[in-house]
Amino acid sequence: EVQLVESGGGLVQPGGSLRLSCAASGFTFSSYSMNWVRQAPGKGLEWVSYINSRSSIIDYADSVKGRFTISRDNAKNSLYLQMNSLRAEDTAVYYCARDQELLWWGQGTLVTVSS
Amino acid sequence: EIVLTQSPDFQSVTPKEKVTITCRASQSIGSSLHWYQQKPDQSPKLLIKYASQSISGVPSRFSGSGSGTDFTLTINSLEAEDAATYYCHHSSSLPHTFGQGTKLEIK
Repeated sequence: EVQLVESGGGLVQPGGSLRLSCAASGFTFSSYSMNWVRQAPGKGLEWVSYINSRSSIIDYADSVKGRFTISRDNAKNSLYLQMNSLRAEDTAVYYCARDQELLWWGQGTLVTVSS
Repeated sequence: EIVLTQSPDFQSVTPKEKVTITCRASQSIGSSLHWYQQKPDQSPKLLIKYASQSISGVPSRFSGSGSGTDFTLTINSLEAEDAATYYCHHSSSLPHTFGQGTKLEIK
Protein backbone atom coordinates (compact mmCIF):
# COMPACT_ATOMS: atom_id res chain seq x y z
CA GLU A 1 0.00 0.00 0.00
CA VAL A 2 1.32 3.42 -0.96
CA GLN A 3 1.90 5.67 2.04
CA LEU A 4 3.18 9.21 2.30
CA VAL A 5 3.70 10.57 5.80
CA GLU A 6 4.66 14.20 6.34
CA SER A 7 6.35 15.48 9.48
CA GLY A 8 8.23 18.50 10.75
CA GLY A 9 5.45 21.06 10.95
CA GLY A 10 4.93 23.33 13.91
CA LEU A 11 4.90 26.89 15.18
CA VAL A 12 7.73 29.14 14.01
CA GLN A 13 8.35 32.87 14.27
CA PRO A 14 8.41 35.10 11.18
CA GLY A 15 11.86 34.97 9.61
CA GLY A 16 12.48 31.51 11.03
CA SER A 17 13.19 28.19 9.35
CA LEU A 18 11.61 24.76 9.29
CA ARG A 19 12.38 21.51 7.49
CA LEU A 20 9.52 19.28 6.42
CA SER A 21 9.96 15.60 5.65
CA CYS A 22 7.83 13.13 3.72
CA ALA A 23 8.45 9.43 4.30
CA ALA A 24 7.38 7.24 1.40
CA SER A 25 6.59 3.53 1.42
CA GLY A 26 4.77 0.94 -0.65
CA PHE A 27 6.34 1.89 -3.98
CA THR A 28 9.73 2.37 -5.63
CA PHE A 29 10.34 5.94 -4.46
CA SER A 30 13.34 6.49 -6.73
CA SER A 31 11.17 6.02 -9.83
CA TYR A 32 8.69 8.81 -9.20
CA SER A 33 8.59 12.58 -9.25
CA MET A 34 7.29 14.29 -6.12
CA ASN A 35 5.60 17.54 -5.21
CA TRP A 36 4.81 19.76 -2.26
CA VAL A 37 1.35 21.36 -2.22
CA ARG A 38 0.02 23.63 0.52
CA GLN A 39 -3.34 24.90 1.70
CA ALA A 40 -3.73 27.98 3.86
CA PRO A 41 -6.58 27.86 6.41
CA GLY A 42 -9.91 28.14 4.61
CA LYS A 43 -8.21 28.63 1.24
CA GLY A 44 -7.59 26.61 -1.91
CA LEU A 45 -4.73 24.36 -2.93
CA GLU A 46 -1.42 25.94 -3.97
CA TRP A 47 1.29 24.00 -5.77
CA VAL A 48 4.62 24.76 -4.08
CA SER A 49 7.43 22.70 -5.60
CA TYR A 50 8.36 19.79 -7.86
CA ILE A 51 11.35 17.46 -8.06
CA ASN A 52 11.83 14.69 -10.60
CA SER A 53 13.04 11.21 -9.75
CA ARG A 54 16.75 12.01 -10.15
CA SER A 55 16.62 15.54 -8.70
CA SER A 56 17.69 16.94 -12.08
CA ILE A 57 14.53 19.00 -12.59
CA ILE A 58 13.32 21.24 -9.76
CA ASP A 59 10.91 24.15 -9.73
CA TYR A 60 9.05 26.36 -7.29
CA ALA A 61 6.05 28.64 -7.14
CA ASP A 62 7.05 32.29 -7.36
CA SER A 63 5.68 32.82 -3.85
CA VAL A 64 8.42 30.62 -2.34
CA LYS A 65 11.25 30.85 -4.88
CA GLY A 66 14.53 31.80 -3.20
CA ARG A 67 13.24 30.87 0.27
CA PHE A 68 12.27 27.18 -0.03
CA THR A 69 14.43 24.27 -1.19
CA ILE A 70 13.09 20.88 -2.21
CA SER A 71 15.30 17.80 -2.06
CA ARG A 72 15.05 14.04 -1.85
CA ASP A 73 17.07 11.09 -0.61
CA ASN A 74 16.16 8.06 -2.69
CA ALA A 75 18.18 5.78 -0.42
CA LYS A 76 16.02 6.84 2.51
CA ASN A 77 12.73 7.01 0.54
CA SER A 78 12.31 10.56 1.75
CA LEU A 79 11.34 13.95 0.37
CA TYR A 80 12.20 17.22 2.07
CA LEU A 81 11.26 20.89 2.02
CA GLN A 82 13.63 23.33 3.65
CA MET A 83 11.71 26.53 4.39
CA ASN A 84 13.66 29.68 5.27
CA SER A 85 12.66 33.31 5.85
CA LEU A 86 9.17 32.18 6.74
CA ARG A 87 6.30 34.65 6.56
CA ALA A 88 2.81 34.72 8.03
CA GLU A 89 1.42 33.94 4.59
CA ASP A 90 3.31 30.63 4.58
CA THR A 91 0.96 29.36 7.29
CA ALA A 92 -0.70 26.30 5.78
CA VAL A 93 -1.07 22.55 5.77
CA TYR A 94 1.74 21.18 3.62
CA TYR A 95 1.14 17.99 1.65
CA CYS A 96 3.57 15.84 -0.27
CA ALA A 97 2.10 14.19 -3.35
CA ARG A 98 3.40 11.68 -5.89
CA ASP A 99 3.57 11.91 -9.67
CA GLN A 100 2.72 14.59 -12.20
CA GLU A 101 -0.97 13.88 -11.63
CA LEU A 102 -0.73 13.80 -7.80
CA LEU A 103 -2.26 10.33 -7.52
CA TRP A 104 -1.17 9.81 -3.92
CA TRP A 105 -1.19 12.39 -1.10
CA GLY A 106 -0.03 12.41 2.48
CA GLN A 107 -2.20 13.54 5.37
CA GLY A 108 -0.41 16.88 5.61
CA THR A 109 1.56 18.69 8.29
CA LEU A 110 0.56 22.10 9.66
CA VAL A 111 3.02 24.97 9.59
CA THR A 112 2.08 28.06 11.57
CA VAL A 113 4.18 31.21 11.20
CA SER A 114 3.36 33.61 14.00
CA SER A 115 5.02 35.64 16.72
CA GLU B 1 2.80 30.72 -15.36
CA ILE B 2 -0.39 29.14 -16.64
CA VAL B 3 -3.51 30.38 -14.86
CA LEU B 4 -6.43 27.99 -14.39
CA THR B 5 -9.87 29.56 -13.91
CA GLN B 6 -12.72 27.40 -12.66
CA SER B 7 -16.43 28.14 -12.90
CA PRO B 8 -18.57 28.37 -10.98
CA ASP B 9 -16.95 29.16 -7.63
CA PHE B 10 -19.97 27.74 -5.81
CA GLN B 11 -22.93 25.63 -6.80
CA SER B 12 -25.92 24.38 -4.82
CA VAL B 13 -27.44 21.27 -6.37
CA THR B 14 -29.99 18.57 -5.58
CA PRO B 15 -29.29 14.83 -5.49
CA LYS B 16 -29.56 13.01 -8.85
CA GLU B 17 -28.85 16.26 -10.69
CA LYS B 18 -26.10 16.43 -13.32
CA VAL B 19 -23.27 18.82 -12.47
CA THR B 20 -20.73 20.41 -14.79
CA ILE B 21 -17.63 22.25 -13.59
CA THR B 22 -15.37 23.94 -16.09
CA CYS B 23 -11.67 24.80 -15.98
CA ARG B 24 -10.11 27.18 -18.48
CA ALA B 25 -6.35 27.49 -18.97
CA SER B 26 -4.68 30.75 -19.93
CA GLN B 27 -2.77 28.88 -22.67
CA SER B 28 -2.91 25.44 -24.23
CA ILE B 29 -1.96 22.59 -21.89
CA GLY B 30 -2.84 19.69 -24.16
CA SER B 31 -4.46 17.03 -21.99
CA SER B 32 -2.29 17.58 -18.88
CA LEU B 33 -5.24 18.53 -16.70
CA HIS B 34 -6.30 16.65 -13.57
CA TRP B 35 -9.34 16.90 -11.26
CA TYR B 36 -9.47 16.43 -7.48
CA GLN B 37 -12.14 16.22 -4.82
CA GLN B 38 -11.48 17.50 -1.32
CA LYS B 39 -13.81 17.05 1.62
CA PRO B 40 -13.36 19.00 4.88
CA ASP B 41 -10.34 17.92 6.93
CA GLN B 42 -9.28 15.40 4.29
CA SER B 43 -6.45 15.28 1.78
CA PRO B 44 -7.43 15.84 -1.85
CA LYS B 45 -8.34 12.79 -3.89
CA LEU B 46 -7.57 12.37 -7.60
CA LEU B 47 -10.77 11.84 -9.63
CA ILE B 48 -9.67 12.18 -13.25
CA LYS B 49 -6.19 12.36 -14.76
CA TYR B 50 -5.06 13.71 -18.13
CA ALA B 51 -8.42 15.32 -18.84
CA SER B 52 -10.48 12.16 -19.31
CA GLN B 53 -8.70 9.13 -17.86
CA SER B 54 -10.58 7.39 -15.08
CA ILE B 55 -9.02 6.42 -11.77
CA SER B 56 -9.46 3.02 -10.18
CA GLY B 57 -11.95 3.13 -7.32
CA VAL B 58 -13.57 6.42 -8.38
CA PRO B 59 -17.32 6.07 -9.09
CA SER B 60 -18.22 6.01 -12.78
CA ARG B 61 -20.53 9.02 -12.39
CA PHE B 62 -17.38 11.18 -12.48
CA SER B 63 -16.05 11.91 -15.97
CA GLY B 64 -13.82 14.46 -17.63
CA SER B 65 -13.42 15.92 -21.09
CA GLY B 66 -11.59 18.61 -22.98
CA SER B 67 -8.18 19.50 -24.34
CA GLY B 68 -6.16 22.58 -25.09
CA THR B 69 -7.61 25.33 -22.92
CA ASP B 70 -11.12 24.18 -22.01
CA PHE B 71 -11.93 21.29 -19.72
CA THR B 72 -15.02 19.91 -18.01
CA LEU B 73 -15.66 17.71 -14.99
CA THR B 74 -19.10 16.10 -15.09
CA ILE B 75 -20.84 14.41 -12.21
CA ASN B 76 -23.84 12.38 -13.35
CA SER B 77 -26.64 11.66 -10.90
CA LEU B 78 -25.15 13.55 -7.98
CA GLU B 79 -25.12 11.84 -4.59
CA ALA B 80 -25.08 13.44 -1.13
CA GLU B 81 -21.52 12.20 -0.55
CA ASP B 82 -20.32 14.34 -3.48
CA ALA B 83 -20.54 17.49 -1.35
CA ALA B 84 -16.97 18.77 -1.52
CA THR B 85 -14.66 21.28 -3.15
CA TYR B 86 -13.34 20.35 -6.58
CA TYR B 87 -10.03 21.54 -8.05
CA CYS B 88 -8.38 21.33 -11.42
CA HIS B 89 -4.57 21.21 -11.73
CA HIS B 90 -2.22 21.21 -14.70
CA SER B 91 1.14 19.47 -15.11
CA SER B 92 1.80 20.60 -18.69
CA SER B 93 4.85 22.70 -17.83
CA LEU B 94 6.56 24.04 -14.76
CA PRO B 95 5.38 25.74 -12.62
CA HIS B 96 2.28 23.65 -12.11
CA THR B 97 -0.82 25.45 -10.84
CA PHE B 98 -4.29 24.78 -9.43
CA GLY B 99 -7.64 26.34 -10.17
CA GLN B 100 -9.25 28.33 -7.36
CA GLY B 101 -11.73 25.57 -6.54
CA THR B 102 -15.47 24.97 -6.92
CA LYS B 103 -17.49 24.30 -3.79
CA LEU B 104 -20.43 21.98 -4.32
CA GLU B 105 -23.27 22.10 -1.82
CA ILE B 106 -26.00 19.46 -1.79
CA LYS B 107 -29.48 20.85 -1.07
